[in-house]
Amino acid sequence: AAGVIQSPRHLIKEKRETATLKCYPIPRHDTVYWYQQGPGQDPQFLISFYEKMQSDKGSIPDRFSAQQFSDYHSELNMSSLELGDSALYFCASSLGCRLYSSNQPQHFGDGTRLSIL
Amino acid sequence: GENVEQHPSTLSVQEGDSAVIKCTYSDSASNYFPWYKQELGKRPQLIIDIRSNVGEKKDQRIAVTLNKTAKHFSLHITETQPEDSAVYFCAATWGYQKVTFGIGTKLQVIP
Repeated sequence: AAGVIQSPRHLIKEKRETATLKCYPIPRHDTVYWYQQGPGQDPQFLISFYEKMQSDKGSIPDRFSAQQFSDYHSELNMSSLELGDSALYFCASSLGCRLYSSNQPQHFGDGTRLSIL
Repeated sequence: GENVEQHPSTLSVQEGDSAVIKCTYSDSASNYFPWYKQELGKRPQLIIDIRSNVGEKKDQRIAVTLNKTAKHFSLHITETQPEDSAVYFCAATWGYQKVTFGIGTKLQVIP
């Protein structure tokens, strides 16, 4: 079965640079979520989109922005990168909650490992 | 916002024994409780989930229980195997699925 595709898998940047992470959800999934996971930590919710509109916002820094496109893929744009931004960034997708009467499972991609030098 | 507490943070069991991981949540609006297994450097994988209208759910060696009144839910793994070794995260969510994770439990199954 098709899974969530994230690119790139690894990314090395220097401080103050910018980065763009991409996420392609499972076919027919219209909701995407972004998480940041530091070493030894649990995933922290950043932001989510449903039908190309932001549906929820978590602990996403103002230096980061994201959007979902008409084909439902999403991009996380990160600017003025800091050492503390080094982490695994996961994207997850699901069917829209509004379409169903109950929450739908989120399926995670393999993540992008971002290293800031 | 939602707060999910998970314990223990580490758990070692002998192969064949059972493992139990417990979580509590704070927001009574939470109605969906997934459990994820994450191996080192890999993505979280959904292993089982339970909704608030169900008290227990089982899938082969894995079972989850939910006590809505006490806001407790637990993961039970029976007949543990070395490949069960991983970090397990409980989570709680509601509405448009803003998921809050517990801190994770590192399970080690000793052969």
